[in-house]
Amino acid sequence: TQLLEQSPQFLSIQEGENLTVYCNSSSVFSSLQWYRQEPGEGPVLLVTVVTGGEVKKLKRLTFQFGDARKDSSLHITAAQPGDTGLYLCAGGRYGGSQGNLIFGKGTKLSVKP
Amino acid sequence: NAGVTQTPKFQVLKTGQSMTLQCAQDMNHEYMSWYRQDPGMGLRLIHYSVGAGITDQGEVPNGYNVSRSTTEDFPLRLLSAAPSQTSVYFCASRLDRVAGTGELFFGEGSRLTVL
Repeated sequence: TQLLEQSPQFLSIQEGENLTVYCNSSSVFSSLQWYRQEPGEGPVLLVTVVTGGEVKKLKRLTFQFGDARKDSSLHITAAQPGDTGLYLCAGGRYGGSQGNLIFGKGTKLSVKP
Repeated sequence: NAGVTQTPKFQVLKTGQSMTLQCAQDMNHEYMSWYRQDPGMGLRLIHYSVGAGITDQGEVPNGYNVSRSTTEDFPLRLLSAAPSQTSVYFCASRLDRVAGTGELFFGEGSRLTVL
C-alpha cells in the first residue's frame, strides 16, 4: 500500500513557468520532507516541515504542510533548467517504525530552456 | 567530508551469485538504511539499523541480509542474486534513531544488474 501519493508523476515545462507538485496521504505524519534527486546521484534534502499549515520558502521554492498533516505541496516560481530532477516527498510516522520514512514515488520534472 | 560512501558503483552478476554492497558513513550516525529504487516504484526500504548490533527488516527484505558490527559500516548482502534484484541501491544514514526532523544523507548509489 502506497501511503504517500505524488502527482503529477511527470512534468515537462518551459523555463519561466510556474508549477506545483502534490504529496497526499490518508495518514497523519509527524513531519514531511522534500528531497531532490539528480541523475546518477542520491536524493538531497530540500526542506522539512513539522507543523500543520506550515509554509517554508527556499528561494523560488515554496513548501506547505497541510493543516491536518496529511498532505504537502511544492510550488516552484519561474522554473529554471537547474530545477530539473526527481522530487520526492517523505513522511515520518508516529508509532511503530518511527525511524523509517515513507517515500512517495516521485515527480520527475524537466524544465526546458 | 566523505559523508556516506557506497561501493561498488556498478556491478553485473549472474543469477545465483552472491555479493556484498558496502556502505560506510563518517558522521557517527545512529540510523542507517538500505533502499532500492526501481522505475515507477520510488524508494523502498530493504533493511535498517538504529545502532551497532541492531538491525530490522523494511518493506522488501527477502533475498537480502545485513549486519551492523560497527557504527560506521552497514553492508548489504545478496545471498543468491535473481534478475528481480536488478535495481539501483542506496544507503542512507541519519544522526537520530527516530525520523523527526533529521536529514537523511544518501550515498551516490550502486547500480546492480543481474543477468
